[in-house]
Amino acid sequence: GQNIDQPTEMTATEGAIVQINCTYQTSGFNGLFWYQQHAGEAPTFLSYNVLDGLEEKGRFSSFLSRSKGYSYLLLKELQMKDSASYLCAVRGDNYGQNFVFGPGTRLSVLP
Amino acid sequence: KAGVTQTPRYLIKTRGQQVTLSCSPISGHRSVSWYQQTPGQGLQFLFEYFSETQRNKGNFPGRFSGRQFSNSRSEMNVSTLELGDSALYLCASSLTGTEAKEQYFGPGTRLTVT
Repeated sequence: GQNIDQPTEMTATEGAIVQINCTYQTSGFNGLFWYQQHAGEAPTFLSYNVLDGLEEKGRFSSFLSRSKGYSYLLLKELQMKDSASYLCAVRGDNYGQNFVFGPGTRLSVLP
Repeated sequence: KAGVTQTPRYLIKTRGQQVTLSCSPISGHRSVSWYQQTPGQGLQFLFEYFSETQRNKGNFPGRFSGRQFSNSRSEMNVSTLELGDSALYLCASSLTGTEAKEQYFGPGTRLTVT
């Protein structure tokens, strides 16, 4: 089967660093994606990892370990606008766009 | 470049009715995927269309169907609506299939079944 786990909720302080973990078990692997979704809005793409290691993109970084079925999203210098749900998704099939999404982690950034 | 558009944005239907939702992908994108998002189940994959062919299908009953036109616009149909079909329906477009790093989501259609 296919399963993706993330913490349900996290809280952090403005200016701090937060790490959101994601573990997955899927049939096949063709990339891991992180999306940000503000309440009432559509998800927006944040990052993509297909090889092991760290991908950095401004205040956001994403790490992948395929052997461990593990990824994390690191958010630095947190801002109030970072309060949102963060979705981890794995593209499992070798053909097509069959994404499996995790339940999402709701991050609250406090002043 | 215009983003992904979905119509209508909000819809209220009664149990037993059917509904058709529309999605227009970003110009040049040939892949359109549909998702259902509910508070309890999260974001779940419905199906993907590429060049007018259904290429992948999630675990949803046959009441959920879709199609894609030659201009890549896609429609999703749900027949014999049930209360549990109340959800946000999102479509996402991308250039191709497995090579694509990103898929772009539309704003969604909020369906309420009463």
